[in-house]
Amino acid sequence: GIQVEQSPPDLILQEGANSTLRCNFSDSVNNLQWFHQNPWGQLINLFYIPSGTKQNGRLSATTVATERYSLLYISSSQTTDSGVYFCAVERSGGTSYGKLTFGQGTILTVHP
Amino acid sequence: SAVISQKPSRDICQRGTSLTIQCQVDSQVTMMFWYRQQPGQSLTLIATANQGSEATYESGFVIDKFPISRPNLTFSTLTVSNMSPEDSSIYLCSVEGRTSAYNEQFFGPGTRLTVL
Repeated sequence: GIQVEQSPPDLILQEGANSTLRCNFSDSVNNLQWFHQNPWGQLINLFYIPSGTKQNGRLSATTVATERYSLLYISSSQTTDSGVYFCAVERSGGTSYGKLTFGQGTILTVHP
Repeated sequence: SAVISQKPSRDICQRGTSLTIQCQVDSQVTMMFWYRQQPGQSLTLIATANQGSEATYESGFVIDKFPISRPNLTFSTLTVSNMSPEDSSIYLCSVEGRTSAYNEQFFGPGTRLTVL
């Protein structure tokens, strides 16, 4: 199956700092999503971004599909940004429709 | 996006018993998916629940352990059978949302299961 690797596994920041999270994947994808999992376990959709660049407030994401990686940028981090960030992909191919393979996540801690 | 609810939100169960988790969506969807997240781990797909046909299971998951029902296009259940402490996990359902991205997935709030 497709492999998804995220880096770094852990990240500790001071409030106001910027950060970049990376997601590498091993095969062509139809779908790539970034999620934030809050302390209660809820998965929050951040971006649907199989290719290109998107921005939403302090967050932005870029996926270079031909090179099989995606980046999530967090600017001016806040304590509420703390949690686990997951990258998940749907491999290209009819039998994989809707099925997401998740990376291991990046645990982000933002200190005040 | 889709509005998804799950019941129960959490439960503590004794080993050897079974628990049925419900997933309700506010609109009709073709496929629903069930995931497991073991403590400190990432999410793993258990199975795809299709209305009108049997669920399809991923490698390492079997119907006897995780029977799934899909009686209509807005509802599904996942049963965790003959539970052991290793089944302690968060169980989440997901569906595709009503967005311009036809295959963007949205997740329910999860069911946090502890098996003693």
